Amino acid sequence: DVKVTQSSRYLVKRTGEKVFLECVQDMDHENMFWYRQDPGLGLRLIYFSYDVKMKEKGDIPEGYSVSREKKERFSLILESASTNQTSMYLCASSASGTGGYTFGSGTRLTVV
Amino acid sequence: KQEVTQIPAALSVPEGENLVLNCSFTDSAIYNLQWFRQDPGKGLTSLLLIQSSQREQTSGRLNASLDKSSGRSTLYIAASQPGDSATYLCAAPSYNTDKLIFGTGTRLQVFP
Repeated sequence: DVKVTQSSRYLVKRTGEKVFLECVQDMDHENMFWYRQDPGLGLRLIYFSYDVKMKEKGDIPEGYSVSREKKERFSLILESASTNQTSMYLCASSASGTGGYTFGSGTRLTVV
Repeated sequence: KQEVTQIPAALSVPEGENLVLNCSFTDSAIYNLQWFRQDPGKGLTSLLLIQSSQREQTSGRLNASLDKSSGRSTLYIAASQPGDSATYLCAAPSYNTDKLIFGTGTRLQVFP
């Protein structure tokens, strides 16, 4: 069974901390995505990557960066966590040109 | 710019009813459309992926149709059950990219 695995289900971090959210997929997909989901705002794209070391900004990249050193792993980095980054973070992957997203189970991040 | 709209926003029905969830999109030059299910606090589970060359896809009690010319897709749920209670999201690609644009979802409650 194909899988996208997010390293943590729940995280609590302090304001100003550097936070790493990890996502690993085992499907050899070219594309990987990070979304955040907030009540009333739906899913919003933060960053995506269409190849190793390649990345593009999504709709809300401010305060975030990403890293993709290997095809299977896509990391989301909060350089200095703030309370407005408290949210559900969802990682997804897809094969290029076919759509067909597979999502991870999500990370609920709380910044205090 | 692709926009995806879902109606109704919420639906509450007794067990056994047949349901239709609606999704509309503004850019009809899509190569596929995907329906997802999300349980509270969880990630998204892919239900059906319809390629642009297809008119519909079926999985068990679920049937999704796609009409590109009118910019519409419907998800039909037959003989609904309490276990179908969840939020259902549809998503279509942004123009000429692999990025999915999501609707805000239909929250379904099926009561016994």
